[in-house]
Amino acid sequence: AQKVTQAQTEISVVEKEDVTLDCVYETRDTTYYLFWYKQPPSGELVFLIRRNSFDEQNEISGRYSWNFQKSTSSFNFTITASQVVDSAVYFCALGFYNQGGKLIFGQGTELSVKP
Amino acid sequence: NAGVMQNPRHLVRRRGQEARLRCSPMKGHSHVYWYRQLPEEGLKFMVYLQKENIIDESGMPKERFSAEFPKEGPSILRIQQVVRGDSAAYFCASSPNMDGSSYEQYFGPGTRLTVT
Repeated sequence: AQKVTQAQTEISVVEKEDVTLDCVYETRDTTYYLFWYKQPPSGELVFLIRRNSFDEQNEISGRYSWNFQKSTSSFNFTITASQVVDSAVYFCALGFYNQGGKLIFGQGTELSVKP
Repeated sequence: NAGVMQNPRHLVRRRGQEARLRCSPMKGHSHVYWYRQLPEEGLKFMVYLQKENIIDESGMPKERFSAEFPKEGPSILRIQQVVRGDSAAYFCASSPNMDGSSYEQYFGPGTRLTVT
């Protein structure tokens, strides 16, 4: 089965708190890709990151960081010192090699950052 | 460099009418994907097209839905005889997708279809 699970439906934090969004995936493929997208209240989807299954290095981009753990099939996303503008729905997605590029999305985690 | 464009942004149709959703990919991208987002749900893959070809339509409902990506012009997602359950946000994405793998997909702003 190919599946992405984002167990946290909603998270609410106060500004400047750190927050981690969990993502667990299932696939039998040995080559695959993991993505995070942000969907702000305006509704568009903003690409955040793409990782391939061979690269388990953690990545940091400003206040954003990603922790890829192949052993636990997880690709978690941490926002440090959250801001109100981070309020959005965040989607984790799984993609494949040589399957035409379609993505399988998780259900999304709605993050609310309160001032 | 313009992003993925979709129009209309909002579409209201009565039950039984047809809905046509348009998507123009980013410049230089020849691969288009359509996804549907039902209320309170994640995005579900519908169809993957290249110019003049449907590559993967495994996510398309068997009836009433069709998609095309002609040699010239935008990709079209067509829903015939719409029903209330078709109310959703429909997103188009494009990618350069050089090797058949999941490349970055850049999404359009979506078309929000409401069926009354």
